[in-house]
Formats: sequence, C-alpha cells, structure tokens
Amino acid sequence: LAKTTQPISMDSYEGQEVNITCSHNNIATNDYITWYQQFPSQGPRFIIQGYKTKVTNEVASLFIPADRKSSTLSLPRVSLSDTAVYYCLVGDNTNAGKSTFGDGTTLTVKP
Amino acid sequence: DAGVIQSPRHEVTEMGQEVTLRCKPISGHNSLFWYRQTMMRGLELLIYFNNNVPIDDSGMPEDRFSAKMPNASFSTLKIQPSEPRDSAVYFCASNEQGLSYEQYFGPGTRLTVT
Repeated sequence: LAKTTQPISMDSYEGQEVNITCSHNNIATNDYITWYQQFPSQGPRFIIQGYKTKVTNEVASLFIPADRKSSTLSLPRVSLSDTAVYYCLVGDNTNAGKSTFGDGTTLTVKP
Repeated sequence: DAGVIQSPRHEVTEMGQEVTLRCKPISGHNSLFWYRQTMMRGLELLIYFNNNVPIDDSGMPEDRFSAKMPNASFSTLKIQPSEPRDSAVYFCASNEQGLSYEQYFGPGTRLTVT
C-alpha cells in the first residue's frame, strides 16, 4: 500500500476554506484516494473518494493533480463542527480490506 | 438502516478475564473489519472478513485475540486472557466488497482492562 504523509495539525477560523494536503508518492496505477473524518468518541466517516482531477460532493472537494502523487481535501467555509481528525488513505478498491489509516490531520476550527 | 451496531459500548474488566466484543454489520454488506484505536498506535486494522471468511488476520496482535463471523449478520472479537495493554477503542466496520474504500464504522467499544 502506498504510504501517505499529512500535516499533523492545522488551525482555522469559522467561515474560512481549509485545504489539507496528503502526499502519496508511491501511488499505484489502480489506487484510489479516500478521505475520512473522525470526531471524538466516534468511528471514522467516509467523506470523499477520487482517482484523478477533481471530485466534489456536498461536503468537500478533492483535488488530484495529473501525477497523482498528492491530493488536497478542500472544506469550504468551515464551522466549529468541522473540528475533527482527517485521514487520507490510498489503495486499490478491489482490496479494500487492506486499509491503512495514518496519523491523520487534526483540524481545529476556532470562532 | 441502523448502521453498524456494536456492543457493549463500554467494557471495564480485570486483567485475566475474557472479553467478547460484538458487531452487527449493515445488512447487505459482505465485508467486515475489526480495528483498534489507541493514542500511541492510532487506528489499526486487526482482521477482515469477506463473505464470513477471514481473509487477513495479520493485524491480530497475538494468540489471545480471536475473531469469528458465524453468519453474515454477526461477528465477535474475543480477548482471552485480557491485559491492561489491550485497553483501547475497538471499531467494527462493514462495506460491500470491492466497491470502494467506503467503509461504514460502528460507534466503537471502549475497553478498559485494569
């Protein structure tokens, strides 16, 4: 599985856009990029998944450059409730059992 | 759908006792995963099943840990005997095999071994 590297922590303020970047230099051709969110005392929750270019849903956007060696999770206009740990995972969708959650990025949104 | 159901939500036991954690996956999901989360080691995959069959248990820390999935709607993770270092939050997750990395996690069981 491709190893991922994310910042350990980030701070932001309400209403700002937050971008969290994940590096995955060894990503394989069949690998997808998946992001999870985890609130304290809860299990991780799927946010978004992509393969290349840009993916957008009601929660976030995922930007993936052409070389796919990194990806950026973009959270528009964050609120205090977006304070959580965000995990980036990379892997082949046909082998979803091999999930490796790294240390994640702790996002703290301040008023 | 009620989502992934785990029981108990909290468990406090003494060292040496047997602990059994339970999980009911989302109906229709044929893959089930057990994870352990601690501050020191983060979120670790212990074992996962496809169609009730254990596929990879390389994450199971030692022989004191065992997991079973007797049918598509139920799985157990057993620790016998338990030790203080087993204290952690144990998560169960499920998904439809091969469709994506979109796993659905349960609320977790917080285990404390004294």
